Amino acid sequence: EADIYQTPRYLVIGTGKKITLECSQTMGHDKMYWYQQDPGMELHLIHYSYGVNSTEKGDLSSESTVSRIRTEHFPLTLESARPSHTSQYLCASSDDYYGYTFGSGTRLTVV
Amino acid sequence: QKEVEQNSGPLSVPEGAIASLNCTYSDRGSQSFFWYRQYSGKSPELIMSIYSNGDKEDGRFTAQLNKASQYVSLLIRDSQPSDSATYLCAVNRGGTYKYIFGTGTRLKVLA
Repeated sequence: EADIYQTPRYLVIGTGKKITLECSQTMGHDKMYWYQQDPGMELHLIHYSYGVNSTEKGDLSSESTVSRIRTEHFPLTLESARPSHTSQYLCASSDDYYGYTFGSGTRLTVV
Repeated sequence: QKEVEQNSGPLSVPEGAIASLNCTYSDRGSQSFFWYRQYSGKSPELIMSIYSNGDKEDGRFTAQLNKASQYVSLLIRDSQPSDSATYLCAVNRGGTYKYIFGTGTRLKVLA
């Protein structure tokens, strides 16, 4: 079944550690996105990609980086995690017409 | 002015009533409009899309779009307690595949 997967679902990590949040989709979508959402707050676009080797920063400044080497894979990396990075990170993919499909999200806590 | 504005609520309606959710947007170049439902602690799920002026019905949900007035609304008929969630309006930034989300309206359906 076509879907979008995020791992891990929950992550608690110490300050200064490097982390990579995984996002993969089997929907064949060219466009993929990362959003950040604090509890009860709005979604903020932090990165997006319209295809392989194409990545752009979103509206919310983020210290994270992304890569898009394969169509189905769009990982997000934080080189040195800080408590201010504590948030929920949502990955989404889309075709041109039917809107986003979101993954289940990664809830990150940096202690 | 925010690009996409929604009343944060909560909007409380009795079970069986019609819930009316509204959204305004600022970019006259926007062409794609979506409603997502987000339960607490979960990721958003797409419930309706609309691209042309007028009404679009899907089961108990009706989306309404008025591009001249720059608003889009969602009606939920025969509201059920399971409809209690936050409803997010998303609008594409004109000429792009980037979708901007409103802050969401929290709906409470009272049994």
